Amino acid sequence: TQLLEQSPQFLSIQEGENLTVYCNSSSVFSSLQWYRQEPGEGPVLLVTVVTGGEVKKLKRLTFQFGDARKDSSLHITAAQPGDTGLYLCAGFNAGNNRKLIWGLGTSLAVNP
Amino acid sequence: DSGVTQTPKHLITATGQRVTLRCSPRSGDLSVYWYQQSLDQGLQFLIQYYNGEERAKGNILERFSAQQFPDLHSELNLSSLELGDSALYFCASSVGVQHLGEAFFGQGTRLTVV
Repeated sequence: TQLLEQSPQFLSIQEGENLTVYCNSSSVFSSLQWYRQEPGEGPVLLVTVVTGGEVKKLKRLTFQFGDARKDSSLHITAAQPGDTGLYLCAGFNAGNNRKLIWGLGTSLAVNP
Repeated sequence: DSGVTQTPKHLITATGQRVTLRCSPRSGDLSVYWYQQSLDQGLQFLIQYYNGEERAKGNILERFSAQQFPDLHSELNLSSLELGDSALYFCASSVGVQHLGEAFFGQGTRLTVV
């Protein structure tokens, strides 16, 4: 069974701090997506990474896909209260099952 | 606004009852996915339809069923409801069959079974 483990589960920081959250698996994925979900809303896609070692930047957010395509990280620089939310990673396997495997998420609170 | 519309937003019903959740995908999207989200189990994939045909099945209970209509809207039917079925139910849509590309989620239906 493919599993995606996200850490930490909860994170509470002050505005202006940097942080990194992780998404790890023992399985190889064809691609990996990061989503952010705010309370009462559906997840919103932030980025898709496909190539091992790939780094993508979205303003203050930096996403990296591991060389072996088994893990990923999300780094936020100078966090702001608007970054508060649940960050979910999801791995896609283009093999036979073609399913998206979801982590349980990291709940981030950025305090002003 | 993702362009995916789900109704109703909130639903409260009693155990043993049956409910229908509705989803209208983004214009042009042929794939619809249903997910269940609870605090302890996270986001669980239930089922996917592509252009009216069932494409992939996840952890969907036999008491649950779904369909996608010719106009591409989809309905998720939940029957013989139990307290444990209380959760957020999300619909997502994407252009193609595979979930590799962008998937757009609706705002969800919060189901409470009492």
